[in-house]
Amino acid sequence: ETGVTQSPTHLIKTRGQQVTLRCSSQSGHNTVSWYQQALGQGPQFIFQYYREEENGRGNFPPRFSGLQFPNYSSELNVNALELDDSALYLCASSSRDRGNEQFFGPGTRLTVL
Amino acid sequence: AQRVTQPEKLLSVFKGAPVELKCNYSYSGSPELFWYVQYSRQRLQLLLRHISRESIKGFTADLNKGETSFHLKKPFAQEEDSAMYYCALSLNNAGNMLTFGGGTRLMVKP
Repeated sequence: ETGVTQSPTHLIKTRGQQVTLRCSSQSGHNTVSWYQQALGQGPQFIFQYYREEENGRGNFPPRFSGLQFPNYSSELNVNALELDDSALYLCASSSRDRGNEQFFGPGTRLTVL
Repeated sequence: AQRVTQPEKLLSVFKGAPVELKCNYSYSGSPELFWYVQYSRQRLQLLLRHISRESIKGFTADLNKGETSFHLKKPFAQEEDSAMYYCALSLNNAGNMLTFGGGTRLMVKP
């Protein structure tokens, strides 16, 4: 069974740029959730995708957007990057058929200069 | 508003000592709570969830609605328990939209 994978591992951008992060869900999982983890803090929920539709959203501005594809992989897009967007971005996949336990990826470390 | 608080950033104990990692929450409905753990160089993973009422790796956690707490306990700490521990509260009924506390680093000394 393939686990959750994320790409890239690290990324450096400058203020005002746009970034796309990618996540492949664990085999058999149809739900993907994205989290932002700032240094020294716990993960914060950004949004969730279920069957290609946004299924819930945390307290993040509209410049954070996402997609889910038919194979249940997902993208997180952030426009107009700000310094405070520097963080570890975690993706987690789950499936109702498997008790909705979330399996996390290794994360993408984004640095905004 | 839903919120999870872990008051201790760092907890250091000796091997064989009891461990209690504190977690308090605020939530208006019926909460579903979790403990996640991250060992060094590993991914965040589920340790236990309150509805399962299981003991995992010797850890237990009891939901106390009166005190709005979900403390994680283990009677005898082991060196391999050293890790980052996060308490989390579900934002939905499915238990897969979570708000996390700030985490507590547990160090178990030999």
